[in-house]
Amino acid sequence: NAGVTQTPKFQVLKTGQSMTLQCAQDMNHNSMYWYRQDPGMGLRLIYYSASEGTTDKGEVPNGYNVSRLNKREFSLRLESAAPSQTSVYFCASSVETQYFGPGTRLLVL
Amino acid sequence: GENVEQHPSTLSVQEGDSAVIKCTYSDSASNYFPWYKQELGKRPQLIIDIRSNVGEKKDQRIAVTLNKTAKHFSLHITETQPEDSAVYFCAASKGTYKYIFGTGTRLKVLA
Repeated sequence: NAGVTQTPKFQVLKTGQSMTLQCAQDMNHNSMYWYRQDPGMGLRLIYYSASEGTTDKGEVPNGYNVSRLNKREFSLRLESAAPSQTSVYFCASSVETQYFGPGTRLLVL
Repeated sequence: GENVEQHPSTLSVQEGDSAVIKCTYSDSASNYFPWYKQELGKRPQLIIDIRSNVGEKKDQRIAVTLNKTAKHFSLHITETQPEDSAVYFCAASKGTYKYIFGTGTRLKVLA
């Protein structure tokens, strides 16, 4: 039982490049989330998916898109990366309690 | 809007002393209150949670208390150890899926 997994672990992008962060869970959870955490700061919700086929904006959705591919997988896409998107990105899944993945560290130059 | 205030933002205690972190929530419909511990460079991990039909819950050296009337809940860590040093986040939820997180408390346990 791997729980919540994320790829890649670390990524460096140049301004304007695009990339997709992948997240998968094997706990049969309906709900999945994407957060960003800037250094020394709390967790800010980017997007969430209450169930397969639905997605909703969180607190900081600008510059991001998401896809709930199936019940297991929830991806986050940066279409044109900006230095302000340098952060650690956490995926989580839940029935009620949220369980977090190990995170993706993204550096945008 | 919905809000969770968390205090203090930093807390230093001597090893063996107790630590208390407090959170206040704004939405009276909130009914689930988890606490997460995040070590440096790691993911947030659930350490304890409480539901609104319970006033207190304990797990070894960690306890959480809930006062629904005052809309606040607290994390209590007794006999602190150096490995308790981390950032702690509280959250409130209405039993649906979305959490409102507090801003975090950096706990330092001094040996």
